[in-house]
Amino acid sequence: SQKIEQNSEALNIQEGKTATLTCNYTNYSPAYLQWYRQDPGRGPVFLLLIRENEKEKRKERLKVTFDTTLKQSLFHITASQPADSATYLCALGSGGYQKVTFGTGTKLQVIP
Amino acid sequence: GAVVSQHPSRVICKSGTSVKIECRSLDFQATTMFWYRQFPKQSLMLMATSNEGSKATYEQGVEKDKFLINHASLTLSTLTVTSAHPEDSSFYICSAGGSGSRPGELFFGEGSRLTVL
Repeated sequence: SQKIEQNSEALNIQEGKTATLTCNYTNYSPAYLQWYRQDPGRGPVFLLLIRENEKEKRKERLKVTFDTTLKQSLFHITASQPADSATYLCALGSGGYQKVTFGTGTKLQVIP
Repeated sequence: GAVVSQHPSRVICKSGTSVKIECRSLDFQATTMFWYRQFPKQSLMLMATSNEGSKATYEQGVEKDKFLINHASLTLSTLTVTSAHPEDSSFYICSAGGSGSRPGELFFGEGSRLTVL
């Protein structure tokens, strides 16, 4: 069965450092992969989408890589700030372009 | 980005009653809306896909007679939890895509916290 794995343990990093979050998947051939941010008690907020034929995507302090051979995506936040503290979800989609399957999320805590 | 509004944000009800949750796209036409359920410290689980003017498509294991979905217009979808029980207590979230969004981009509502006593 399809499986999307994100590090279930919280990631704590010092302010100013680069945070790197991992999303691994098995038994899946996604056409694209998305990253979302979710704050406690709130709905997810879309951050970035990367397609299967793209290696890397950037948006301001965010960078996403997508390796379809390793079946892995890495999500980087450079110059991290306490305001970046949240849970980050990856989601995979294929076929119908808006129906996605979410990973369990990784909680990021940026320490001042 | 586009705005999706959910109402109510919190609802507490007695066991056996029905609860309706609304999901509105405020500034774009949502041809497709999705309903998710999220338990504490777990991922979002897709419950159903609703398309305007047609019947919803439910994911495996989701009872369509218990979770009634209506998508009567391009800006409104409703989820009704019928005869709610304590195990239905969860965080319900809708998302929408459509003419206002780029392919693959979904806009999420703020979620509705349901507590069944």
